[in-house]
Amino acid sequence: TQLLEQSPQFLSIQEGENLTVYCNSSSVFSSLQWYRQEPGEGPVLLVTVVTGGEVKKLKRLTFQFGDARKDSSLHITAAQPGDTGLYLCAGPHSYSGAGSYQLTFGKGTKLSVIP
Amino acid sequence: KAGVTQTPRYLIKTRGQQVTLSCSPISGHRSVSWYQQTPGQGLQFLFEYFSETQRNKGNFPGRFSGRQFSNSRSEMNVSTLELGDSALYLCASSLSGGSYEQYFGPGTRLTVT
Repeated sequence: TQLLEQSPQFLSIQEGENLTVYCNSSSVFSSLQWYRQEPGEGPVLLVTVVTGGEVKKLKRLTFQFGDARKDSSLHITAAQPGDTGLYLCAGPHSYSGAGSYQLTFGKGTKLSVIP
Repeated sequence: KAGVTQTPRYLIKTRGQQVTLSCSPISGHRSVSWYQQTPGQGLQFLFEYFSETQRNKGNFPGRFSGRQFSNSRSEMNVSTLELGDSALYLCASSLSGGSYEQYFGPGTRLTVT
């Protein structure tokens, strides 16, 4: 069972278009992280959101954490080819139930921005 | 600071063999986590080591094991390889632990034939 569901799985858009990708869960998370992974590389952290309702901006990228801390969205304005990659959301999860947490990841949204 | 390095970058093994992958974390980072990434399952957590102790383990069979050395470098071992073990194995280091900001290496691409 995937704790974090990301949608859409794939997205192909033209340069200059806007887009939103989503990360949803039935569980409450204390925080959520967004990563971008380019082919042949490991994921790179973009942002961490920690407060319900929080909005963070990173240039043309806007991240929002849901009020109930069960979901998050990433909006990209005027997408560029350099935005191409796999966008992953991740949140702390206790695998052992002993209070020690590790990141659990969604399966990601694969974005292609066509010039 | 130098980033997380992983060796080797690519590996081809035969079913039944065993393999050892290596990870050098960012200097000063004591937490090292390992993940398996496949197109079907995405990124799945294998285990985390902190100061040479395994702190967390994901839902993988005992064929997957790891260790961490006193200099924080880590290795993971997979014994009796199966075709389904073909994946990108990612190592990540963190200053604070496995649920905090992770710095990933480029991964080791393992192909089992």
